[in-house]
Amino acid sequence: GDSVTQTEGPVTLSEGTSLTVNCSYETKQYPTLFWYVQYPGEGPQLLFKVPKANEKGSNRGFEATYNKEATSFHLQKASVQESDSAVYYCALSSDSNNRIFFGDGTQLVVKP
Amino acid sequence: DAGVTQTPRHEVAEKGQTIILKCEPVSGHNDLFWYRQTKIQGLELLSYFRSKSLMEDGGAFKDRFKAEMLNSSFSTLKIQPTEPKDSAVYLCASRGHFNERLFFGHGTKLSVL
Repeated sequence: GDSVTQTEGPVTLSEGTSLTVNCSYETKQYPTLFWYVQYPGEGPQLLFKVPKANEKGSNRGFEATYNKEATSFHLQKASVQESDSAVYYCALSSDSNNRIFFGDGTQLVVKP
Repeated sequence: DAGVTQTPRHEVAEKGQTIILKCEPVSGHNDLFWYRQTKIQGLELLSYFRSKSLMEDGGAFKDRFKAEMLNSSFSTLKIQPTEPKDSAVYLCASRGHFNERLFFGHGTKLSVL
């Protein structure tokens, strides 16, 4: 079945350093891939989505490329800020059964 | 554009009580999801509705959890009877189409004593 695996957290970084959160997925279909971010006391919200293979999504300095060959969708940011501290979820939406599959989430802690 | 509205924001229940959580999805959305969120288990799917029809009912949650969609603009999640292990944040989300983003509510934080 479909599944998503991402970097286990927490990930602790200093402000100004680079971030990579790995995300790998399994599916036999043609999914749309998403990154969501969740701040304390709120529900997850969309960071960005990429519906097509080999395309890149980006928002607020974060980016990820939908790599169909490697079945990966790693989240990257060149220079993190304290305000980026949150939980990040990788997700895929399957066109065969309309379900959405989330990874376990990666907590990011950015220290000043 | 109104988002997903969940009520109440916080709920405290005694063990064995029945509680009902409410959700109003984004107007016009066809899909509605209920999730349970804990630090250990992350996001766990409880129920998924498509055009008010129940498409998936999380197997591990069937015995005491029941979600209903009374109309396209209102859903409830009933937990009966509650147990301390049900303490978690319950999230409702909606979307228009399978490849569109999910809109989440702020969640209901449930504490069962």
